[in-house]
Amino acid sequence: EIVLTQSPGTLSLSPGERATLSCRASQNVFANTYLAWYQQRPGQAPRLLIYDASSRATGIPDRFSGSGSGTDFTLTISRLEPEDFAVYYCQQYGDSSPLTFGGGTRVEIK
Amino acid sequence: EVQLVESGGGLVQPGGSLRLSCAASGFTFSTYAMTWVRQAPGKGLEWVSSINLFGDNTFYADSVKGRFTISRDNSKNTLYLQMNSLKAEDTALYYCARGGLITATHYWGQGTLVTVSS
Repeated sequence: EIVLTQSPGTLSLSPGERATLSCRASQNVFANTYLAWYQQRPGQAPRLLIYDASSRATGIPDRFSGSGSGTDFTLTISRLEPEDFAVYYCQQYGDSSPLTFGGGTRVEIK
Repeated sequence: EVQLVESGGGLVQPGGSLRLSCAASGFTFSTYAMTWVRQAPGKGLEWVSSINLFGDNTFYADSVKGRFTISRDNSKNTLYLQMNSLKAEDTALYYCARGGLITATHYWGQGTLVTVSS
């Protein structure tokens, strides 16, 4: 099973600042890029932001971008908006044990 | 518009059973794998189970293997999760999601709460 480790656990930033979130896999994810990022606001279901490491999902603003391959992945939010303060999860798929999630990174207002 | 609506959650005693349903609309249900993901109160996301297009290939997390059964009825556009021998640690909000297996889970329902307690 592929284990995903997210860092940092909590990120304290101000609106307008840049956020950089990391996700490291214990081994190469399937096809080196089968990695997704989700946003979860309080009381809401997760929302897909990025799939296949760098493709933005439908309706996602371009301030969200994903990069990386193999075992090291990054989600970048170029300029934080008030609605971006939430918890972010990475997820790998395509393995024989289909899905695993990272432990999450909370982006909080500084 | 893609919609996924879960139902069937509730309070059940340890050792009991529940069947969750997920009604899908706004897309061709039979052409997508489907997945259940759960979230215990205040915790992160945990994958539970996935099923392929035809329902003949299923996958389970070790924590539920042998107790939970995923299935689908493509004629009714509905996904199911039969949960038996429930434990306190199964208490969570259970989400239905479109996709999984070789794709990300692009759409999620709002979840149904399962509480296992005596």
